[in-house]
Amino acid sequence: GAGVSQSPSNKVTEKGKDVELRCDPISGHTALYWYRQSLGQGLEFLIYFQGNSAPDKSGLPSDRFSAERTGGSVSTLTIQRTQQEDSAVYLCASSLYAAVGAGNTIYFGEGSWLTVV
Amino acid sequence: GESVGLHLPTLSVQEGDNSIINCAYSNSASDYFIWYKQESGKGPQFIIDIRSNMDKRQGQRVTVLLNKTVKHLSLQIAATQPGDSAVYFCAENTGTASKLTFGTGTRLQVTL
Repeated sequence: GAGVSQSPSNKVTEKGKDVELRCDPISGHTALYWYRQSLGQGLEFLIYFQGNSAPDKSGLPSDRFSAERTGGSVSTLTIQRTQQEDSAVYLCASSLYAAVGAGNTIYFGEGSWLTVV
Repeated sequence: GESVGLHLPTLSVQEGDNSIINCAYSNSASDYFIWYKQESGKGPQFIIDIRSNMDKRQGQRVTVLLNKTVKHLSLQIAATQPGDSAVYFCAENTGTASKLTFGTGTRLQVTL
């Protein structure tokens, strides 16, 4: 597609429920990233994929968070047993390949706004 | 740990004036830097980037300056317009990492 597409754009869920957030990267981009942005804060790295593999999961806050990527394209971020502190904007991004640098810019989607009540 | 930060949380400028947004970084191994613009309710939008082997790079109405001696990065916006109102983030990357480390952001408010 023309840009990184995320769904849902907004999600309100009850504490304890599971949620799935979807990301469709830019066509041809092999690297995919998930970031989290809490209100008024900067972006916090969660995980990145090169193809279907996740070489760096270091940013996932707890074992309630998981992500997968299939077919080298769409990725799903799953949060189990959601807590109020999970409320944030979850941003997906993609780049041509995984080595961040000049000529390999990371492009972001509009985000999925998650509110846990 | 190493981090990227910003000097000013909010910057207010008049339309037509030049804006300068500053960023300090602490990881001397960082070799690539990016500025992103984030409008309310939207994802970050790439503005301009610079590699550590450069000290200046210009785009359309924007210039990024890199001072490795003092580990300082700045974004200059010429003839600031109301549409420039947003939060601006600097981000850094080290050569072996496939991720960006972001600062907390500076809000730019353009007054008429």
